[in-house]
Amino acid sequence: GAVVSQHPSWVICKSGTSVKIECRSLDFQATTMFWYRQFPKQSLMLMATSNEGSKATYEQGVEKDKFLINHASLTLSTLTVTSAHPEDSSFYICSASGTSGSDTQYFGPGTRLTVL
Amino acid sequence: QKEVEQDPGPLSVPEGAIVSLNCTYSNSAFQYFMWYRQYSRKGPELLMYTYSSGNKEDGRFTAQVDKSSKYISLFIRDSQPSDSATYLCAMSKAAGNKLTFGGGTRVLVKP
Repeated sequence: GAVVSQHPSWVICKSGTSVKIECRSLDFQATTMFWYRQFPKQSLMLMATSNEGSKATYEQGVEKDKFLINHASLTLSTLTVTSAHPEDSSFYICSASGTSGSDTQYFGPGTRLTVL
Repeated sequence: QKEVEQDPGPLSVPEGAIVSLNCTYSNSAFQYFMWYRQYSRKGPELLMYTYSSGNKEDGRFTAQVDKSSKYISLFIRDSQPSDSATYLCAMSKAAGNKLTFGGGTRVLVKP
């Protein structure tokens, strides 16, 4: 149990375009979802926390207009990187916590974004 | 100073040895402690989850929490080459809250 999926697993896009990444909890209801980014050989950096049906809470320094987060249901959250630039290239990982018997976070497999 | 400190390694051990990992932290408000394993280009996988002080064992893994010293450990017995990965400690102040991660320790188990 406690499986989280992400789609796509990798994406390459041109500078200036927008990219949407989906995060789904497959076998539990995720009351809270988290979005992280990770640069090579570094730890995870929390970008934002989202609760179903409410606005996301962004960490300091994260542009909310650039990284749009929607948590429309208890099993789906999306991250849209708007007007992507090469410096947005990174590994984006979501996690979910909910009512699966533990309140810890279960992570998705990650999405590698490359902006040309 | 970071809230959670973790030696980046790499930590190299022969197959079958015990792997010993640890993290120190500065915020006494942390109550929940986790260890994750992350393979290259993959998402972290939860290994151990403990609340407050004490020991917890699950198969080859043992997690220890010493809140008085602000120190947590993970031991991996009978290590295998497949255990080669980066191990991340993480902690939170309340259940389901955002996690604060250590920087990760890269472990290499040599056959």
